[in-house]
Amino acid sequence: SQTIHQWPATLVQPVGSPLSLECTVEGTSNPNLYWYRQAAGRGLQLLFYSVGIGQISSEVPQNLSASRPQDRQFILSSKKLLLSDSGFYLCAWSYRDRGGAGLGFFGSGTQLSVL
Amino acid sequence: QKEVEQDPGPLSVPEGAIVSLNCTYSNSAFQYFMWYRQYSRKGPELLMYTYSSGNKEDGRFTAQVDKSSKYISLFIRDSQPSDSATYLCAAAMNSGYSTLTFGKGTMLLVSP
Repeated sequence: SQTIHQWPATLVQPVGSPLSLECTVEGTSNPNLYWYRQAAGRGLQLLFYSVGIGQISSEVPQNLSASRPQDRQFILSSKKLLLSDSGFYLCAWSYRDRGGAGLGFFGSGTQLSVL
Repeated sequence: QKEVEQDPGPLSVPEGAIVSLNCTYSNSAFQYFMWYRQYSRKGPELLMYTYSSGNKEDGRFTAQVDKSSKYISLFIRDSQPSDSATYLCAAAMNSGYSTLTFGKGTMLLVSP
């Protein structure tokens, strides 16, 4: 069966510090990978998605970047965090090339507080 | 206009009630429709999905899509306190690299 691991669960960082969140998927190959941010009352905001190693699409221009160094690894980074980067970050995967039928499976999330 | 609209609630019901959760969408190209359940501070969990119009039943849950009116519904029979969560609807197109478009979620509270 497929599993998705996301860590850490909670993170408190000072403004201006760097960020690295990691996500890995097991039990499947060539997944599509996604980073979402969820803010209270604003729903799920798609930040980045990737259809392959080194292939990253950005949905929202901002202070964050993403990388996919391996097929089942997805990393969300920032060089200098802003207060507005606080939120609940979710990694997700879907089956590749199935379009909407690929569905979406989420990790457990990281609650990031920038102080 | 957001492509998928969902009333944020909260929706409060007594245990045993039938719950109806609804979404509307605007993009006619959407072919897949999903419902996710999210407990507080957890990742969303895929509950059900349907393709095009029609109904799909899984235990106490029934998903319904009416493409003519662009309306998505989730019904929960015999609701339980453990059903208390935020329910997110989502839609996607039938293309190779389609991403999911989510509603904002409806908070459901089932009281004992």
